[in-house]
Amino acid sequence: DTAVSQTPKYLVTQMGNDKSIKCEQNLGHDTMYWYKQDSKKFLKIMFSYNNKELIINETVPNRFSPKSPDKAHLNLHINSLELGDSAVYFCASSQDRGGQANYGYTFGSGTRLTVV
Amino acid sequence: EDQVTQSPEALRLQEGESSSLNCSYTVSGLRGLFWYRQDPGKGPEFLFTLYSAGEEKEKERLKATLTKKESFLHITAPKPEDSATYLCAVHPNTDKLIFGTGTRLQVFP
Repeated sequence: DTAVSQTPKYLVTQMGNDKSIKCEQNLGHDTMYWYKQDSKKFLKIMFSYNNKELIINETVPNRFSPKSPDKAHLNLHINSLELGDSAVYFCASSQDRGGQANYGYTFGSGTRLTVV
Repeated sequence: EDQVTQSPEALRLQEGESSSLNCSYTVSGLRGLFWYRQDPGKGPEFLFTLYSAGEEKEKERLKATLTKKESFLHITAPKPEDSATYLCAVHPNTDKLIFGTGTRLQVFP
C-alpha cells in the first residue's frame, strides 16, 4: 500500500535514554516533515527536509536530530530523553514544499513516546 | 505572527443536527488553507484545500468555505461516523503548515 509508515507505534523509555523513530514514504514525495502533537492535540512542526536537504528547523532542543538518508526516509533521533518529550510524533510528506498540491500533507499514524 | 484559532474546542451533536466549525486565521500572505480529520490513535487525514476567498468545496456531508479571515466547515445531517477531531491549517509565505488546536466533534445516535 502507498503510505507514510513510521515505527515504532509506541515507545516507552526512561529519562536519559536515547531513542530513534523511523519514517518511510513510498508516495514519491519530495518533502518530509516531523511534527509533534502535545496532549492538547496541537500539532507543531519540528523539521522539514526537501530532497534530503534540511529546509525547516524550528526552535527545537538540539537533543533532537533528524536524518534523511534519501528522499523517501526521514528519521528522528532523540538524545537524553526528558519527561517533557512525551508526546505523539508524526511524520508527514508532501509532493512539494509546503504541501501546495491539492492533497496537502500525508501523515503517518504517529509514534506515541512516553518518557518515565 | 501567523496564527490559527479554532472554535468551538468541542462540539456534541445529535445525529442529523447540522452545525459549523470555525477556523480564524492571521497570516502573512495565505497560500492555502487545509482541513484535516483526525481519528483517535491515527494521523490527520486530508479533507480539503481552499486557496482564495469565496471558494467552497464539498465532500459527502462536509462543506468547507473560505473568507479573508476565516474558514467554516459545515456538517450537514451528521452521522456518528463523523465523530473525530477536525483540524484546520494554513500555509503562509513559508514552507510549513501552521495548525489550529482542532475541534473535537461527537455525534450521538
